Amino acid sequence: GDSVTQTEGQVTVSESKSLIINCTYSATSIGYPNLFWYVRYPGEGLQLLLKVITAGQKGSSRGFEATYNKEATSFHLQKASVQESDSAVYYCALTPAGNKLTFGIGTRVLVRP
Amino acid sequence: EAAVTQSPRNKVAVTGGKVTLSCNQTNNHNNMYWYRQDTGHGLRLIHYSYGAGSTEKGDIPDGYKASRPSQENFSLILELATPSQTSVYFCASGDARANTEVFFGKGTRLTVV
Repeated sequence: GDSVTQTEGQVTVSESKSLIINCTYSATSIGYPNLFWYVRYPGEGLQLLLKVITAGQKGSSRGFEATYNKEATSFHLQKASVQESDSAVYYCALTPAGNKLTFGIGTRVLVRP
Repeated sequence: EAAVTQSPRNKVAVTGGKVTLSCNQTNNHNNMYWYRQDTGHGLRLIHYSYGAGSTEKGDIPDGYKASRPSQENFSLILELATPSQTSVYFCASGDARANTEVFFGKGTRLTVV
């Protein structure tokens, strides 16, 4: 079946430093799935951060970027300079089609002031 | 703004008891989903629905039933709750069109003792 593997556990980073969360995927049901990053801030539900549905394209939102790399089957999330408000749990996800999402394990990001 | 509301937000249940988790969406979305989130796992799909009267099994349906009596409401039912069902449950709704955003509720923390 389809699966998503992402950086596990917690990532701690100082404010204004860069952040990268690794995500790789395996999509057996379809060659080129749609890829997403969702974020869950404390006390909130998950919300879409960015999505890319075309291989080779880059998505960006709120200073975050992710590039759909079909050769490496990766969709790493990056931000050049994080803020304390970026502290949250980040989920990489895919859908083969439609919107039944398969999620990664989630990565907790703690930004220290 | 798209809204998905879950109730209750926290629930303690006894083993063997019946638990109903409720979800209401005001987005007029056809599709609704129930996921659970456990430490060491990403969100996993329990049941989903394509519209009123429809329920489908997701990846981990055992021990759960679902009910979609209307476009707006989607319930998750644990007929005989077990401690292994202690988890955080998320409801979500999405448009039937492919590649559109899925909107999540804030989650229900269920503890089965």
